[in-house]
Amino acid sequence: SYVLTQPPSVSVAPGQTARITCGGNNIGSKSVHWYQQKPGQAPVLVVYDDSDRPSGIPERFSGSNSGNTATLTISRVEAGDEADYYCQVWDSSSDHLFGGGTKLTVL
Amino acid sequence: QITLKESGPTLVKPTQTLTLTCTFSGFSLSTSGVGVGWIRQPPGKALEWLALIYWDDDKRYSPSLKSRLTITKDTSKNQVVLTMTNMDPVDTATYYCAHRRRSSWPKYGSFFDYWGQGTLVTVSS
Repeated sequence: SYVLTQPPSVSVAPGQTARITCGGNNIGSKSVHWYQQKPGQAPVLVVYDDSDRPSGIPERFSGSNSGNTATLTISRVEAGDEADYYCQVWDSSSDHLFGGGTKLTVL
Repeated sequence: QITLKESGPTLVKPTQTLTLTCTFSGFSLSTSGVGVGWIRQPPGKALEWLALIYWDDDKRYSPSLKSRLTITKDTSKNQVVLTMTNMDPVDTATYYCAHRRRSSWPKYGSFFDYWGQGTLVTVSS
């Protein structure tokens, strides 16, 4: 079955750029989607199809996907971006699959 | 405006069967391409996809839980029901239902663009 690997945690100072990775075998051939989840809240879609943003999501959130790694990039990080972030793909063997999540800490 | 809301018991005993209902509005599950999925999250842990039902009644299940899950839909009531048999304390989690959207061509896949608020189910005797 397909496996998605995320770092457990990423820390960044306000105003800097955060990069959260999602690793998988030839993940560049799949569409990757990213969700933000704040404590006690449901997940919110922030990037879909590798690099598209739903309406209402700031341009500071962007995504890329190539080779064995997909990346969610958050520019000019704000305190309000502190949350857990999950990547997700669809795979023929695992169907819908989530990564293990990354906790973003804003220092 | 798409909304979804989960309902069901907050407490179930081990070995019992859990039945959760997702009531939605703002879309029809009879429209081509539409799907509704269930995802759960144990306290402090990651999201786990459970099941998904499509507009054409195609049903997909997590390979690891397939033997315990059943997903059905009632299009006239705008509801999707998930049942999970033989509940265990490790199944304690917040259960979410979500609207599935297909990836745009030429990309292939799907994702969840609207989520319910979730319902916490505790399994304990």
